[in-house]
Amino acid sequence: SQQGEEDPQALSIQEGENATMNCSYKTSINNLQWYRQNSGRGLVHLILIRSNEREKHSGRLRVTLDTSKKSSSLLITASRAADTASYFCASGTYKYIFGTGTRLKVLA
Amino acid sequence: NAGVTQTPKFRVLKTGQSMTLLCAQDMNHEYMYWYRQDPGMGLRLIHYSVGEGTTAKGEVPDGYNVSRLKKQNFLLGLESAAPSQTSVYFCASRGSLETQYFGPGTRLLVL
Repeated sequence: SQQGEEDPQALSIQEGENATMNCSYKTSINNLQWYRQNSGRGLVHLILIRSNEREKHSGRLRVTLDTSKKSSSLLITASRAADTASYFCASGTYKYIFGTGTRLKVLA
Repeated sequence: NAGVTQTPKFRVLKTGQSMTLLCAQDMNHEYMYWYRQDPGMGLRLIHYSVGEGTTAKGEVPDGYNVSRLKKQNFLLGLESAAPSQTSVYFCASRGSLETQYFGPGTRLLVL
């Protein structure tokens, strides 16, 4: 399978703490994207980082990319209960390989 | 502006039956995708299209066919459904900014 992997598979934290999730991929990429999925719903795009970028910020999100290690990380700072969801990375060019996801639970 | 819509939302099929899932987008996007999502597996690409009249195989294409006769529509067909095709199916479209926009999903149960 070409599917990427994410770790941890599940993460439970208290509101206000930071959450970090990691993604590893196998193929060459133009960009890597992170998506959020609330239970039973479609995925929503969070942030895109290009292969020539090392770090990118968007609000409370910080993404890093290490193409030499074929890995990326997503940091959510000052987490909120509303951040409870599954998070997926997607890597590729015009077609994408999704990771297996991290289930994040933020406790109020 | 509805974004990406999928029809139907839920369907139950018997083994061997056929059906077509419809995906429609109103964003004038060139790229469209069909994924399936199984528990613990993330999303896997079934087929995709880079423009009207084009289709290509993804990671798990067996047992599925697709058509893109109109730019705004991408159809996924199951000719002879099998229990292994029980899944949640998501359609997505992508524009020039490379962000994928997903539909709400179709839950398919094959008995």
